[in-house]
Amino acid sequence: QVQLQQWGAGLLKPSETLSLTCDVSGGSLSGYYWSWIRQPPGKGLEWIGEINHRGSTNYNPSLKSRVTISVDTSKNQFSLRVSSVIAADTAIYYCARVVWPTRYNYYMDVWGKGTTVTVSS
Amino acid sequence: EIVLTQSPATLSLSPGERATLSCRTSQTVSSYLAWYQQRPGQAPRLLIYDASNRATGIPARFSGGGSGTVFTLTISSLEPEDFAVYYCQQQTNWPPRITFGQGTRLEIK
Repeated sequence: QVQLQQWGAGLLKPSETLSLTCDVSGGSLSGYYWSWIRQPPGKGLEWIGEINHRGSTNYNPSLKSRVTISVDTSKNQFSLRVSSVIAADTAIYYCARVVWPTRYNYYMDVWGKGTTVTVSS
Repeated sequence: EIVLTQSPATLSLSPGERATLSCRTSQTVSSYLAWYQQRPGQAPRLLIYDASNRATGIPARFSGGGSGTVFTLTISSLEPEDFAVYYCQQQTNWPPRITFGQGTRLEIK
């Protein structure tokens, strides 16, 4: 059974870079996309972007200029970097596995537990 | 940009009652829609995919339906653990753009 374990720095100052990693155990990166989603305190879910095992990425246009998602197939991990963070980037960040059999048939079936990231001076 | 609108924002019901949650899309993109449940302090959990297919391990009291621009999630008889927030989600564009509804909070009456 695939499990996702995620980690990263939880407290950042404005202008710093957010860095999170998600480790995939019990399965391979191949055949799926792997996504990051965030949830500001008390609010709903926002898709950040995704990557596959070949390194092909898609990003939310509203965040694209500051976001980089990368993959390390040797470690079965994928990572998120958000540069120049501001207070509005404060959120719980989740990693998730994407099932995407056809262009518009897309859903996330395995989720990490989430990492709380706070941006404060 | 396609918008997913969930209603109601909050639904107050008692255990044993039937719950019907709605998700409307601003345009018809596809008939594919997913539903997630998020309990307090937990990550979202996939309930329904392809609008009507239950994910692995999801009880039969959960069912999904609809197509076009109107989709529903029905919980036939509420259990205490069902009181949570529910989100709908679609892949709405190309290049891909994943969109979530704003959520429906299901609370105990």
